[in-house]
Amino acid sequence: NAGVTQTPKFQVLKTGQSMTLQCAQDMNHEYMSWYRQDPGMGLRLIHYSVGAGITDQGEVPNGYNVSRSTTEDFPLRLLSAAPSQTSVYFCASRGGAVRETQYFGPGTRLLVL
Amino acid sequence: RKEVEQDPGPFNVPEGATVAFNCTYSNSASQSFFWYRQDCRKEPKLLMSVYSSGNEDGRFTAQLNRASQYISLLIRDSKLSDSATYLCVGLSSGSARQLTFGSGTQLTVLP
Repeated sequence: NAGVTQTPKFQVLKTGQSMTLQCAQDMNHEYMSWYRQDPGMGLRLIHYSVGAGITDQGEVPNGYNVSRSTTEDFPLRLLSAAPSQTSVYFCASRGGAVRETQYFGPGTRLLVL
Repeated sequence: RKEVEQDPGPFNVPEGATVAFNCTYSNSASQSFFWYRQDCRKEPKLLMSVYSSGNEDGRFTAQLNRASQYISLLIRDSKLSDSATYLCVGLSSGSARQLTFGSGTQLTVLP
């Protein structure tokens, strides 16, 4: 049981490049989310999914796309990277009960030059 | 106004001290609350859930006051290993049921 896995751990992009951050969970969780964490800003929700085939926008969705074709996978796509997207990205998953623990992946550190 | 607001700290306390963190929330419909712990450059991990009656887990005590929309975390007999950032978290109601995170309170326990 690996929990929540994310790849890559580190990435450097040039402005305008696109890339996909991978996220997978093996706990059969319904809910999956992507957050970004910036100094002094806390965790901000980018996109989330309440089940396969269902996604919705969070607090800061601009410049990002997601899809949820399976329960396990929830990739985050940066369409055209900008320096403002330099951040640490966390994927998370949890079950549907009110007091379910949310588990986070180890994070992806992204630098956009 | 942020939905979940925390005392940002930093808190620097000696080993063995008792320290308390406070958190307020603006969404009265929030269903559940949690404290997460985040070590430097690591992912957040659940420390404890918060119940209306107050709950204790070893040296940690969490309390929720719905009337005042206020949550607290008390750490007794602080250890060096308690040094971390503590995140106050609320779970919204509705079908989306997303977690909203405070910005965190940084704690350093000094030898």
